[in-house]
Amino acid sequence: LAKTTQPISMDSYEGQEVNITCSHNNIATNDYITWYQQFPSQGPRFIIQGYKTKVTNEVASLFIPADRKSSTLSLPRVSLSDTAVYYCLVGASGGYQKVTFGTGTKLQVIP
Amino acid sequence: SAVISQKPSRDICQRGTSLTIQCQVDSQVTMMFWYRQQPGQSLTLIATANQGSEATYESGFVIDKFPISRPNLTFSTLTVSNMSPEDSSIYLCSTVFGQENTGELFFGEGSRLTVL
Repeated sequence: LAKTTQPISMDSYEGQEVNITCSHNNIATNDYITWYQQFPSQGPRFIIQGYKTKVTNEVASLFIPADRKSSTLSLPRVSLSDTAVYYCLVGASGGYQKVTFGTGTKLQVIP
Repeated sequence: SAVISQKPSRDICQRGTSLTIQCQVDSQVTMMFWYRQQPGQSLTLIATANQGSEATYESGFVIDKFPISRPNLTFSTLTVSNMSPEDSSIYLCSTVFGQENTGELFFGEGSRLTVL
């Protein structure tokens, strides 16, 4: 299983762009990279997934370099409601292969 | 996508007792998982609940402590047996939708157990 490494915590002011980087040096050829968001007292929820290059959806962008040994979740113009823990997962999203949740990054958005 | 309902949402339990957590999914699913999240920690996979056979437990988790049932494709239970304060955690049920490599995990809201 590919292990992931993320910063434990980050602070950001409202309105700023936040970039959270995840290292996954042992990523396998068929592994995807998936990010989840967890608010207090809730289960994690899917944000974005990618395999290579760049993926963008309505809430975030995911940048993956050619070697795929890291990835960066980008949250544009964060608000207070983006305060949460963000998890980077590598592998199938738990469906048919085991996935391991790393420590996650606790993002605190400051007014 | 899936809607996953867990019961109870929270409970306070006495040491030495057992509690069963129920997980209901609004559609038939192949895979169901149980996770534990200790206070301030990340999620740890307890086991995969298999329909029609015994659950598959991860290292450090055993059937005697965490018996799991999966009677059909929409329902599973996790029992936390002979509880101690160290079992105080949030227990989360999850399932996956999508393709083999790109499936998205869906989680219930969790069941917060406090053991006194």
